[in-house]
Amino acid sequence: EVQLVESGGGLVQPGGSLRLSCAASGFTFSNAWMSWVRQAPGKGLEWVGRIKSKTDGGTTDYAAPVKGRFTISRDDSENTLSLQMNSLKTEDTAVYYCTTVRGSNLQYFQHWGQGALVTVSS
Amino acid sequence: QTVVTQEPSFSVSPGGTVTLTCGLSSGSVSTTYYPSWYQQTPGQAPRTLIYSTNTRSSGVPDRFSGSILGNKAALTITGAQADDESDYYCVLYLGGGIWVFGGGTKLTVL
Repeated sequence: EVQLVESGGGLVQPGGSLRLSCAASGFTFSNAWMSWVRQAPGKGLEWVGRIKSKTDGGTTDYAAPVKGRFTISRDDSENTLSLQMNSLKTEDTAVYYCTTVRGSNLQYFQHWGQGALVTVSS
Repeated sequence: QTVVTQEPSFSVSPGGTVTLTCGLSSGSVSTTYYPSWYQQTPGQAPRTLIYSTNTRSSGVPDRFSGSILGNKAALTITGAQADDESDYYCVLYLGGGIWVFGGGTKLTVL
């Protein structure tokens, strides 16, 4: 069974940094493309960014609102996905979901974690 | 900036059929955008329903179907049930590693 478990959420001041982790199990993590999707309180889903498998180049892409501030990385030895968030703004307050991505000719978010809440407030 | 449009809300009677749509602020949605659909109930993570326009995800009942209708992607629920009352989101792949979600449709079954 695929499991994605996010951790590291919490309260941070504007301008601060936070690192989220996603522990993956039940599939071959090193072969998987992974993504982060967020949801502000009472709002809709917003794609944050994606990282390809190292076999496919390990490249990252980001949504415009987070580009240059957020960094997605992966540790295939630990089956862990990370999201480093810097220069946080109040509008980054959201539940952050870790997802698997089926790429190539499918391009969708297959499995979802339960989410981690990040609150940016003074 | 590309905006993906969805109806903010919709209602359907139990046993009825409803079609939710997913459009683009400029242009038409086609299969090349790989439209996918997700269901979310309050406090829960999203659940994948449909991908690549019309392929049901594992375990999704066949009363859910996806298609292209005119210039939009569409999610049709046939024989709606009370537990279909949820928020529904579509997402389009724009290419270049970029996805955009629609604003979501709140479906009421009453």
